[in-house]
Amino acid sequence: AQKITQTQPGMFVQEKEAVTLDCTYDTSDQSYGLFWYKQPSSGEMIFLIYQGSYDEQNATEGRYSLNFQKARKSANLVISASQLGDSAMYFCAMREDYGGATNKLIFGTGTLLAVQP
Amino acid sequence: DGGITQSPKYLFRKEGQNVTLSCEQNLNHDAMYWYRQDPGQGLRLIYYSQIVNDFQKGDIAEGYSVSREKKESFPLTVTSAQKNPTAFYLCASTSLLNTEAFFGQGTRLTVV
Repeated sequence: AQKITQTQPGMFVQEKEAVTLDCTYDTSDQSYGLFWYKQPSSGEMIFLIYQGSYDEQNATEGRYSLNFQKARKSANLVISASQLGDSAMYFCAMREDYGGATNKLIFGTGTLLAVQP
Repeated sequence: DGGITQSPKYLFRKEGQNVTLSCEQNLNHDAMYWYRQDPGQGLRLIYYSQIVNDFQKGDIAEGYSVSREKKESFPLTVTSAQKNPTAFYLCASTSLLNTEAFFGQGTRLTVV
């Protein structure tokens, strides 16, 4: 069965430093997608980055990069040069794709990141 | 602009009443999802739909119902059978290209 695990309930990071948010997943499917979202206190879910299971390169979007280690079933989010506005809840998510059709999208429990000045 | 629209943003209902939350998308996405989020918690999947006129139960479907009569719309009804309906509800949609998954702004439902 699909499962996403985020083991860090909360993290602190100094402004301008880099931070890694951990995410491990469990799936028996070969084709799947991994997502990271940011949820500020306003509640909206902001899509940050996507990694496909067949993508050979790690995904990057600006200050966000995804450290994808397929053999370890790990998809950690790296935020470089942290800013005060990065303080939020971060969710890792996975979707299995059977035969080209989309399947359910499931989430981890989240990591609350606090950026300190 | 393309996106997902949830309405209303805040909803108050009396205990025992059914209530329907709206979710509309103009992204031409095939799959749509409903999630429930309780304070300080993650997102739990209620229902999802991959194509029109078809939907599947998620992990916490009891007390909820959905329909998917149009590709753009995926309304969620919170029925009186839902024991603890007060929560933040989020709707999402994804494309078959698997690289996009966007959310609406959410509906905060309070049952009094």
